[in-house]
Amino acid sequence: QVQLQESGPGLVKPSETLSLTCTVSGGSISTYYWSWIRQPPGKGLEWIGNIYYSGTTNYNLSLKSRVTISRDTSKNQFSLRLSAVTAADTAVYYCARTSYGSGTYYFDHWGQGTLVTVSS
Amino acid sequence: SYELTQPPSVSVSPGQTASITCSGDKLGDKYASWYQQKPGQSPVLVIYQDSKRPSGIPERFSGSNSGNTATLTISGTQAMDEADYYCQAWDSSTGVFGGGTELTVL
Repeated sequence: QVQLQESGPGLVKPSETLSLTCTVSGGSISTYYWSWIRQPPGKGLEWIGNIYYSGTTNYNLSLKSRVTISRDTSKNQFSLRLSAVTAADTAVYYCARTSYGSGTYYFDHWGQGTLVTVSS
Repeated sequence: SYELTQPPSVSVSPGQTASITCSGDKLGDKYASWYQQKPGQSPVLVIYQDSKRPSGIPERFSGSNSGNTATLTISGTQAMDEADYYCQAWDSSTGVFGGGTELTVL
């Protein structure tokens, strides 16, 4: 059974860069797509972007100028970098495996999530 | 940008059928997924490709999608089904979530 675990600082200062890593166990990241999704406290889900094992990425247009998703196949990890953060970026950040079928994608395995607070 | 609209809340009595809608322009031309999220937990996929159930999801969960509306139906709703539910679809390679619906079983 595939498992995902997010890791990274829980506190980031405004204007700095948020960096998170998702470690995948029980399966290889050299298949499937892999996504980052966030949820501000008390609010709904927002898709940030995804990466294919080949390195191809797709980003939410509203965040595209600040987001970079990368992967390290040797460590079975993928990562998120979000630059120039503000308080509005405070959220629980989830990594998720993204399966593909019949021309569409769906998030079938999720990490437990990690809360990142943007504050000085 | 593409938007998906859900009712903020739905209430249902135990044993009855709950229906949660998700509206978007020509949503029926896309595939919809549904996620269940209980307090303090990560979301769980309950329906994908409009109407397919992942392994381990009870048969009382079903989905449909036509026109501008996708619907998640929970038959014989149980207390354990009380949760937030989010629909999700893709538009031009961008993932979009609905605002979420809080399902209350009372």
